[in-house]
Amino acid sequence: GQSLEQPSEVTAVEGAIVQINCTYQTSGFYGLSWYQQHDGGAPTFLSYNALDGLEETGRFSSFLSRSDSYGYLLLQELQMKDSASYFCAVSDSWGKLQFGAGTQVVVTP
Amino acid sequence: ETGVTQTPRHLVMGMTNKKSLKCEQHLGHNAMYWYKQSAKKPLELMFVYSLEERVENNSVPSRFSPECPNSSHLFLHLHTLQPEDSALYLCASSQDRSANTEAFFGQGTRLTVV
Repeated sequence: GQSLEQPSEVTAVEGAIVQINCTYQTSGFYGLSWYQQHDGGAPTFLSYNALDGLEETGRFSSFLSRSDSYGYLLLQELQMKDSASYFCAVSDSWGKLQFGAGTQVVVTP
Repeated sequence: ETGVTQTPRHLVMGMTNKKSLKCEQHLGHNAMYWYKQSAKKPLELMFVYSLEERVENNSVPSRFSPECPNSSHLFLHLHTLQPEDSALYLCASSQDRSANTEAFFGQGTRLTVV
């Protein structure tokens, strides 16, 4: 089976940096994805890592260490609009996406 | 707007009712998915369709019955549901069923079983 662990909530002020960690246990691991979901909205894709290292996309970066079964999403220069839930998800070679429970990020002024 | 449309957005049904959820995508994707999202729990993968063929059924009770008549449409037929089935049901699609393909989600149907 598969399991993913991520913190339930993180609070930070505007302009700060937030790191959301994700550890996973899975068979047939292929990659780690991150999705953002605002209240009442659909999850939207942020990033995907298949290889070890850091992927940067604007203010958001994602990191993967396959040997540690660990990844993180880094949110920089936090803005109020970044308040949302963030989900890590592991995929296998069959394309199955299994999600974590999500991390609620609360950005305060 | 993700290109994946779900209807209805909200649904209240009794335990003896039969209803259907609809999902539509015109992105040219070949894979479609049903997920269940309950409060404080991970999104649960229910069904996967690839090229209109069901390739995954994640031990979902038979009171949930999916249908994929073509690559653009996906249905979830509901009958004799239980109150614990109340949740947000999300449809998603991706170009294909390979591991690194981005999934596009619909806005979901908020289902309440009374």
